[in-house]
Amino acid sequence: NAGVTQTPKFQVLKTGQSMTLQCAQDMNHEYMSWYRQDPGMGLRLIHYSVGAGITDQGEVPNGYNVSRSTTEDFPLRLLSAAPSQTSVYFCASSYSRPYSGNTIYFGEGSWLTVV
Amino acid sequence: AQSVTQLGSHVSVSEGALVLLRCNYSSSVPPYLFWYVQYPNQGLQLLLKYTTGATLVKGINGFEAEFKKSETSFHLTKPSAHMSDAAEYFCAVSDREGGSYIPTFGRGTSLIVHP
Repeated sequence: NAGVTQTPKFQVLKTGQSMTLQCAQDMNHEYMSWYRQDPGMGLRLIHYSVGAGITDQGEVPNGYNVSRSTTEDFPLRLLSAAPSQTSVYFCASSYSRPYSGNTIYFGEGSWLTVV
Repeated sequence: AQSVTQLGSHVSVSEGALVLLRCNYSSSVPPYLFWYVQYPNQGLQLLLKYTTGATLVKGINGFEAEFKKSETSFHLTKPSAHMSDAAEYFCAVSDREGGSYIPTFGRGTSLIVHP
């Protein structure tokens, strides 16, 4: 019963490097999203998708790209890593748009450090 | 636009004492309301949610929350704290149809349980 799977769990990057955080869900969920969690800031939405081929920006999209070519996968790309992107990243999904009161399921997180 | 306020970034209780974590929301119409819990180094998981019907909602691990429309609140309680309850707790809201379906999370409250 995998749920939402994120990889890698830990990553150290040098400033200017690029990388992709992978996210996959096996629950056939329409809605997927990426959050970052920083101390005292709670969860902030980076990007989200309401279905394959459809993505949109959240609260803090700068420096990140996403794509949704399949229902299952929603990778997050850091284009040119900066120390300000040091954070814990969470991928999340729900059956359909959360305004239906659907539960959001979270991955276990990816700890990213940019030096 | 909806917003969520969690009073107190940290709440400290003794084992066996009452737990009360406060959440107030601002929304044009009563939203869907959620409490999520995050144990150390893990992702968030649903504790309980209010969508419709009875305003007192029971969740996992003995937690409950009451939706009070007149006070725009959804406070989380547990009669007797256990050491295993130590975690970060997030209140979240999402609009019903007609509003933004992107859920909004509070900044979180860290529950500390003393022996």
